[in-house]
Amino acid sequence: DAKTTQPTSMDCAEGRAANLPCNHSTISGNEYVYWYRQIHSQGPQYIIHGLKNNETNEMASLIITEDRKSSTLILPHATLRDTAVYYCIANSGGSNYKLTFGKGTLLTVNP
Amino acid sequence: DAGVIQSPRHEVTEMGQEVTLRCKPISGHNSLFWYRQTMMRGLELLIYFNNNVPIDDSGMPEDRFSAKMPNASFSTLKIQPSEPRDSAVYFCASSPAYEQYFGPGTRLTVT
Repeated sequence: DAKTTQPTSMDCAEGRAANLPCNHSTISGNEYVYWYRQIHSQGPQYIIHGLKNNETNEMASLIITEDRKSSTLILPHATLRDTAVYYCIANSGGSNYKLTFGKGTLLTVNP
Repeated sequence: DAGVIQSPRHEVTEMGQEVTLRCKPISGHNSLFWYRQTMMRGLELLIYFNNNVPIDDSGMPEDRFSAKMPNASFSTLKIQPSEPRDSAVYFCASSPAYEQYFGPGTRLTVT
């Protein structure tokens, strides 16, 4: 997996958009960008993944730069329940199953 | 769908005892993973099954650990004999292809 770099922590006001950055400058052409999060005392939760194009689902949007060296996870209207550690992972998926969870970004949503 | 089911949710045992953790993956998922999470080492992959066959057990710490998947709907992780350093949260995850879905985990305490 390509190395990813994320800020250690971020704060966001409830109801505002949370934008979580991730750098993956050595990502290879067949590696997807995955985002997972882990709420305290729970198992990691899959959020979204993408290869080149921007992606959106019911949880979040993923914006990948054209050179694919960085990406941003956007939670459009953060709630207190979105407080969690967010992990950005570069992985080619499928048979390359080993997800490498780094330290992630602790997002704290404040009332 | 109920998601990945793990049992027990909490286990406290004495050193030297056998411990068996159980996992029911999401129906239709053909891959199953066992992870261990500690504060010191983070989230580590222990073993990966594909279509009930163990593919990679290189993360299993030592011979005291064993895992089985007798059918598509059930897997076990056994530790015999258990040691205090095995204390951790053990997660099971299943995957249909790319993304992994984690269970709530089993918190194991070995005294």
